[in-house]
Amino acid sequence: KAGVTQTPRYLIKTRGQQVTLSCSPISGHRSVSWYQQTPGQGLQFLFEYFSETQRNKGNFPGRFSGRQFSNSRSEMNVSTLELGDSALYLCASSLEGDSNSGNTIYFGEGSWLTVV
Amino acid sequence: GNSVTQMEGPVTLSEEAFLTINCTYTATGYPSLFWYVQYPGEGLQLLLKATKADDKGSNKGFEATYRKETTSFHLEKGSVQVSDSAVYFCALLSGGYNKLIFGAGTRLAVHP
Repeated sequence: KAGVTQTPRYLIKTRGQQVTLSCSPISGHRSVSWYQQTPGQGLQFLFEYFSETQRNKGNFPGRFSGRQFSNSRSEMNVSTLELGDSALYLCASSLEGDSNSGNTIYFGEGSWLTVV
Repeated sequence: GNSVTQMEGPVTLSEEAFLTINCTYTATGYPSLFWYVQYPGEGLQLLLKATKADDKGSNKGFEATYRKETTSFHLEKGSVQVSDSAVYFCALLSGGYNKLIFGAGTRLAVHP
């Protein structure tokens, strides 16, 4: 069974540009969430989608957005990039349900974004 | 709010030494608890999990027991190998909708 797949793996963008990252969840998983990892702030939750609906959102500015498609694939977008957006962006997937059901969350390899 | 506190690293051990990485949490209710491992340049891999009090998660020689009375989920391994060198993250599944709260991570370096 294929794992969580993220593309692209590495990218370099210039301040002010926008970026779109893609995530394909494990087959059968309908919940997709995104996390940002930086040396200073660690791992922080961005948002979670289930059946094309955003159910939960972390404390990030509106420049960070996402969406989920009917096949459960997800994209996240960051507009007007800042130097501080340089990070590893991790996508994760799990079966339907919520935290009370004891779901396991599986992560992809991540997309390394460098903003110059 | 919910939070996870891990012991600060780096932890440096010789091969075959005993490993303990402390993790305590603050949460309402009974969250599920996880240990994830991150090797250099890679994403997060699930190491083990526990979903209720007194559960013991185990995998690849690593173990952790969900202690409700001490709100802890310490990671242990009896004999570490060089290949265990990585960053280890303790996490809890926060109330509702698959949101993980992570600790700061503990870097482990194992020397031959």
